[in-house]
Amino acid sequence: NAGVTQTPKFQVLKTGQSMTLQCAQDMNHEYMSWYRQDPGMGLRLIHYSVGAGITDQGEVPNGYNVSRSTTEDFPLRLLSAAPSQTSVYFCASSYSKYYSGANVLTFGAGSRLTVL
Amino acid sequence: GQQLNQSPQSMFIQEGEDVSMNCTSSSIFNTWLWYKQDPGEGPVLLIALYKAGELTSNGRLTAQFGITRKDSFLNISASIPSDVGIYFCAGRSGGGADGLTFGKGTHLIIQP
Repeated sequence: NAGVTQTPKFQVLKTGQSMTLQCAQDMNHEYMSWYRQDPGMGLRLIHYSVGAGITDQGEVPNGYNVSRSTTEDFPLRLLSAAPSQTSVYFCASSYSKYYSGANVLTFGAGSRLTVL
Repeated sequence: GQQLNQSPQSMFIQEGEDVSMNCTSSSIFNTWLWYKQDPGEGPVLLIALYKAGELTSNGRLTAQFGITRKDSFLNISASIPSDVGIYFCAGRSGGGADGLTFGKGTHLIIQP
């Protein structure tokens, strides 16, 4: 049981390049989400999904696209990277969108992205 | 939008000391969570709180859901070196799937 797996762990891009951050979970979780973490800013929600085929925007969605074709995978796409997207990105999942009892958000180890 | 104020931003303490940190919200929450993040890793859940007034312990950690539903605190007793890290509070106010609001974190540094 690997939990939430993110790849790559580190990536350097030039401004204008595109890339996809991968996220996979093997816990059969319905809910998946992407956060970015910046110094002094805490974690901010980019996009989330409550199930395959369903996605929605979070607090800071601009410049990012997501899709959810399977329950297991939730990739985050940067179509044209900008220096402001330099950050650490975390994927997280939970059994459902309702937090109660043992159902809480489990995070991946993060992907550190630098845009030059 | 919702705002979470977490304090202190950082703490420099001696090993063996007790630690206290808190979060306050501009709106009422129905869930409070406390996470710890080690360097190079993702946040890991420490304690989850679902009822106003709830007091929950996890080993040397104790957290409480404030009675006003706008605040929560985390205490760590008898700190040890492995307690070093960033502690985040997170709260949720509704039943929607719009995720959690996170505090900016408390950076705990322990001096031997």
